[in-house]
Amino acid sequence: NAGVTQTPKFQVLKTGQSMTLQCAQDMNHNSMYWYRQDPGMGLRLIYYSASEGTTDKGEVPNGYNVSRLNKREFSLRLESAAPSQTSVYFCASSAQRGARYEQFFGPGTRLTVL
Amino acid sequence: QQQVKQSPQSLIVQKGGISIINCAYENTAFDYFPWYQQFPGKGPALLIAIRPDVSEKKEGRFTISFNKSAKQFSLHIMDSQPGDSATYFCAARASRGTDKLIFGTGTRLQVFP
Repeated sequence: NAGVTQTPKFQVLKTGQSMTLQCAQDMNHNSMYWYRQDPGMGLRLIYYSASEGTTDKGEVPNGYNVSRLNKREFSLRLESAAPSQTSVYFCASSAQRGARYEQFFGPGTRLTVL
Repeated sequence: QQQVKQSPQSLIVQKGGISIINCAYENTAFDYFPWYQQFPGKGPALLIAIRPDVSEKKEGRFTISFNKSAKQFSLHIMDSQPGDSATYFCAARASRGTDKLIFGTGTRLQVFP
């Protein structure tokens, strides 16, 4: 199992450009998430998807859109990138197994917006 | 809106010492309290977790202490090793049905030989 995979690993954009961050999981999980990580601010939820075909806003959704293409894939789109969106982006999926609840994270995408 | 407050922001410990990271929460509906460990350039990974009906959970050198009345929980790393150097996040889940976690701001731990 590859777990949660993300592409690309690194990206540099100019202000106003658009891009899509790709995420896929092979663990057959229903729930998937997009977070951003900034120094001193922890992990903040951008969007999440409880199941295929459903998406909901998290704590910091402005400037982003998401698509839950199927059970495996959950993409994050920046329509018009801004320097404030410079961050490390993590995709995750989750599972509840008995009393244990766990979110599994991908390796991250480091995005710089100039 | 910071619902889980974590301290300290950074921590330096000598090899063999005890590392202690603290978290406090406000929402009494939280029902699950995990700690995640993140190495540089990697995604976070679940380290250990506790439910609010127990006061302590131990796995190897890692222990969570939970104080329900004070709405606080802490991670203790005994016999800290250089390989424990990482960023640690506490988190809380609102309730079993929500399937979302709220994370603290993180603690960068450095263990020196």
